[in-house]
Amino acid sequence: DAEITQSPRHKITETGRQVTLACHQTWNHNNMFWYRQDLGHGLRLIHYSYGVQDTNKGEVSDGYSVSRSNTEDLPLTLESAASSQTSVYFCASSFTGNQPQHFGDGTRLSIL
Amino acid sequence: QQPVQSPQAVILREGEDAVINCSSSKALYSVHWYRQKHGEAPVFLMILLKGGEQKGHEKISASFNEKKQQSSLYLTASQLSYSGTYFCGTVHAGGTSYGKLTFGQGTILTVHP
Repeated sequence: DAEITQSPRHKITETGRQVTLACHQTWNHNNMFWYRQDLGHGLRLIHYSYGVQDTNKGEVSDGYSVSRSNTEDLPLTLESAASSQTSVYFCASSFTGNQPQHFGDGTRLSIL
Repeated sequence: QQPVQSPQAVILREGEDAVINCSSSKALYSVHWYRQKHGEAPVFLMILLKGGEQKGHEKISASFNEKKQQSSLYLTASQLSYSGTYFCGTVHAGGTSYGKLTFGQGTILTVHP
C-alpha cells in the first residue's frame, strides 16, 4: 500500500545545530507540504512543493529550507535550530489541489 | 489569513448532534475537513468545492456557502469515536493558492458515554 513516512519520530537536539527531518511518500503525488503544529495555532504551513525542483515558502518559513530532487522526498532542514522551533512537524502530500492531503505520523522535535 | 473556527470546544453525550463552523475573510475555492485524534496525524474527512455543495461521510456531513465564505460540519448521533480535534483547511480563490491549505485553529470535540 502507498504511504507517507516521516523520520525520525522523535528528536532532541541543541540550539544552533542543523537538523534535517525526512519525508518520503510512495503515492507518486506531485504536491508535498511541511507543517508545524503548536498548541493554539493549529497547523501552519512552512514550505511546499508542486513538483520536482519546485519549492515555495509558506507562512512560517523563516529558519527552514526544503529541496525537492525527486517526486518521493521533501526533506525539511532547520539551518540553525532555535528553541522556538520546538514543535510537532507533519509532512503531507496530495495528487492535486482538489485531492485530500495524506499526512505522515509526525516528528516531535525538541530543541534545548 | 487563517480561517476562524467556532466553537473552540464542544462536549457531547453519545447520540447528540454538533455543528462546527469555519469562516474565512477571503474568497474560497474549496474547504477541506480533517479530524485529528490525540497523538496522531490528521485524517481527511471531506472536500467541498465552490458551488454550495453538501457532502456526507457516514453520519458526518458538511456544507459550503461560497458567498458567505463559510463552511459547516454537521455531526449527527455522535459516537465515542468522533472525539478529536476537527480542522477546516481553506484553499483561497485565485492567485497561486491552488492546492495550498490554510488551516483553522481547530475545534476540540469530546463525546462522553
